[in-house]
Amino acid sequence: TQLLEQSPQFLSIQEGENLTVYCNSSSVFSSLQWYRQEPGEGPVLLVTVVTGGEVKKLKRLTFQFGDARKDSSLHITAAQPGDTGLYLCAGALNFGNEKLTFGTGTRLTIIP
Amino acid sequence: GAVVSQHPSRVICKSGTSVKIECRSLDFQATTMFWYRQFPKQSLMLMATSNEGSKATYEQGVEKDKFLINHASLTLSTLTVTSAHPEDSSFYICSANRGSYNEQFFGPGTRLTVL
Repeated sequence: TQLLEQSPQFLSIQEGENLTVYCNSSSVFSSLQWYRQEPGEGPVLLVTVVTGGEVKKLKRLTFQFGDARKDSSLHITAAQPGDTGLYLCAGALNFGNEKLTFGTGTRLTIIP
Repeated sequence: GAVVSQHPSRVICKSGTSVKIECRSLDFQATTMFWYRQFPKQSLMLMATSNEGSKATYEQGVEKDKFLINHASLTLSTLTVTSAHPEDSSFYICSANRGSYNEQFFGPGTRLTVL
């Protein structure tokens, strides 16, 4: 059973456009992370959100944690070719050295 | 900070041989590390949770006798693929847990090809 569903699964847009990726679940998470992975490399942590309704910004990337801590979104403004990659959300049900449940992934391609 | 290394980055072996992959946290101590497998164009699949000084916890469907995990110190976990077969060919990635919010920092991955 996949606890975290991401949408869209694939997204290909022109440089300069805006986009939003969604991460949805029926479970409540204590924390949620977003990662970006490039081909042949390990995922890189972008952000961690822990409070319902929390919004964090990382340059052109805006992350939001849902009020009920069941969902999250990633919004990219003025996408650049360097944003291309596989975006993964991951949630932990509890605090501590807990395993993460990874989302299904969104493969983003920014066309120059 | 929070750098994780993996060695080797790429390995090709013959069917029936065993392959050991090392995962090290370089600038922090990790009581818990994780091993993942990733198939092309797919998300990460957790194989097992590696705890320093105790037995690993394997996910359902992962053969513990096939994928041996040892977490001998706070900075090193190893995954040994025993008697490897072509179906074991995959991208294996480790991560180390740091902080109380379950943030995981990943190694660069190991591409295993079994001929």
